[in-house]
Amino acid sequence: DAKTTQPNSMESNEEEPVHLPCNHSTISGTDYIHWYRQLPSQGPEYVIHGLTSNVNNRMASLAIAEDRKSSTLILHRATLRDAAVYYCILGGGSQGNLIFGKGTKLSVKP
Amino acid sequence: NAGVTQTPKFQVLKTGQSMTLQCAQDMNHNSMYWYRQDPGMGLRLIYYSASEGTTDKGEVPNGYNVSRLNKREFSLRLESAAPSQTSVYFCASSVVKGVQPQHFGDGTRLSIL
Repeated sequence: DAKTTQPNSMESNEEEPVHLPCNHSTISGTDYIHWYRQLPSQGPEYVIHGLTSNVNNRMASLAIAEDRKSSTLILHRATLRDAAVYYCILGGGSQGNLIFGKGTKLSVKP
Repeated sequence: NAGVTQTPKFQVLKTGQSMTLQCAQDMNHNSMYWYRQDPGMGLRLIYYSASEGTTDKGEVPNGYNVSRLNKREFSLRLESAAPSQTSVYFCASSVVKGVQPQHFGDGTRLSIL
């Protein structure tokens, strides 16, 4: 299964945009790129996913590099409630499951 | 809409005791999953059920058994609990195995003394 590389932690100021990077140089042609986040003491929450084209939804935007070897999750205006661990995952794997790494812990300062 | 419901939320066991963690989803999803999360780590798949009547091992199945009771319910059993199984357990479901997003419960925090 292809792996992803994310920074361990990032900081942001409230109401500013946040760009969370993810490298996945061994991605296969059929791998979707998923982003989940996990707020403290909660289960992971789906954020967004895409295959080749950039994607937008009410929570975030996903920018995918043309060669698909990297992607960026964009939170347009961070709030305190966005403080969480963000996981970049290539899915669904040989078993169709999500393979979670350690993710990026995002801190948002007021 | 409840989504994925896990019971209990917290449990303390003694080494050697048995226990069943319950999970139910009300979204009519075909696939269900059990993960464990150790401190500071990502989630690891224990078992999954692609559809009613089927179960398969994940990355870390040793020491666990599962039952897909019906389409809604997927239980995880620890036959003889060990301290190494102290963890937070998450159940998830998805429309189908693979691409579809997974929906997670809030977890069961299990401590084994």
